[in-house]
Amino acid sequence: EAQVTQNPRYLITVTGKKLTVTCSQNMNHEYMSWYRQDPGLGLRQIYYSMNVEVTDKGDVPEGYKVSRKEKRNFPLILESPSPNQTSLYFCASSSRYSTGLEQYFGPGTRLTVT
Amino acid sequence: AQSVTQLDSHVSVSEGTPVLLRCNYSSSYSPSLFWYVQHPNKGLQLLLKYTSAATLVKGINGFEAEFKKSETSFHLTKPSAHMSDAAEYFCVVSGGGYSSASKIIFGSGTRLSIRP
Repeated sequence: EAQVTQNPRYLITVTGKKLTVTCSQNMNHEYMSWYRQDPGLGLRQIYYSMNVEVTDKGDVPEGYKVSRKEKRNFPLILESPSPNQTSLYFCASSSRYSTGLEQYFGPGTRLTVT
Repeated sequence: AQSVTQLDSHVSVSEGTPVLLRCNYSSSYSPSLFWYVQHPNKGLQLLLKYTSAATLVKGINGFEAEFKKSETSFHLTKPSAHMSDAAEYFCVVSGGGYSSASKIIFGSGTRLSIRP
């Protein structure tokens, strides 16, 4: 089954404790992206990747890191999480051959930073 | 530069009546436009997309949207609402594809409520 998976689905952590949210897709997609969703703001893009070893900032990259060492994986790293990073996070992927970059979304990761 | 505005944060309709969710966009490129739906505690699912073919686009579950370049709009409609349509809907613009190194811009969302 074609899918995007994220782990963990729920995470409660404390300020300053480094964490990684994993994202993996099995569709051989070139394009991958991370978003955060906050009430009233829709989804805002954090980082995106056009392909392996190619990443770029989205609209809200501060406090986040990403890497793309393999085509299927695109982990999101919070080196020193803060309470304002409490949010719902989505990973998405798209084929470069998809007109307009139609995206497939993971189920989301709800992060709480205390 | 690209942007997208969803004109209503919340729309409430009665079951069986028409649905209209409004979206205006701006884009320097020939845009691709999408509507995604998010049911409570779920991920996002593609409803429909416009990518410079037919201006009237049909999607899943009876939804459709019309691309109007002169009005820079891409409103989502459904002739008859069903209780299962209650969800959050997002209008999305992208710059035209992989070669554009797109950022993808989401609207702030419209919550659709259905009254019995």
